[in-house]
Amino acid sequence: GEDVEQSLFLSVREGDSSVINCTYTDSSSTYLYWYKQEPGAGLQLLTYIFSNMDMKQDQRLTVLLNKKDKHLSLRIADTQTGDSAIYFCAESPPNDYKLSFGAGTTVTVRA
Amino acid sequence: GAGVSQSPSNKVTEKGKDVELRCDPISGHTALYWYRQSLGQGLEFLIYFQGNSAPDKSGLPSDRFSAERTGGSVSTLTIQRTQQEDSAVYLCASSFVTDTQYFGPGTRLTVL
Repeated sequence: GEDVEQSLFLSVREGDSSVINCTYTDSSSTYLYWYKQEPGAGLQLLTYIFSNMDMKQDQRLTVLLNKKDKHLSLRIADTQTGDSAIYFCAESPPNDYKLSFGAGTTVTVRA
Repeated sequence: GAGVSQSPSNKVTEKGKDVELRCDPISGHTALYWYRQSLGQGLEFLIYFQGNSAPDKSGLPSDRFSAERTGGSVSTLTIQRTQQEDSAVYLCASSFVTDTQYFGPGTRLTVL
């Protein structure tokens, strides 16, 4: 099974906030990432957070990290149709270069 | 600057044929990774190159898969005697040392 878990689907109305959740297993992971994949495209790095941070904000994106619960979330404010994509959570354990990905959350933005 | 590029973007082949997929990493990046994205399997690590060190091939699914990286830059992933279960999107990423990985657009492989 997946080491990193995400819900598979999220539907959100245009203009609302989207919240994508992720749980990971390796509490010693140093970095946690969010990637975005649009149809037919590769993975685009959206943002990342270092494990000693609780929150990171970047324009419409807010990442929250709860290390105790090993829970990571990505909030997209004022969701737009261009935000429709698959969002992958990934963890980077220390001394390991391999990223472990979740299965991806498909976000659909409806008018 | 230029990102990671991959070619071809799409490849359709017949079962049993060999295919080569190419990756051009970001200039100056020392590390190069191959991942595979299959329906129902998510993203799985295949192989990792770092500088002149021996590659980590632990993710390659069978001995039909091989990869090389020439001159510490361009990489080629070769799949011999392709099978239908090899159909997937093959993604390449590069990073400076083990810093953040940046991905290419991928090669969609379809084995008929």
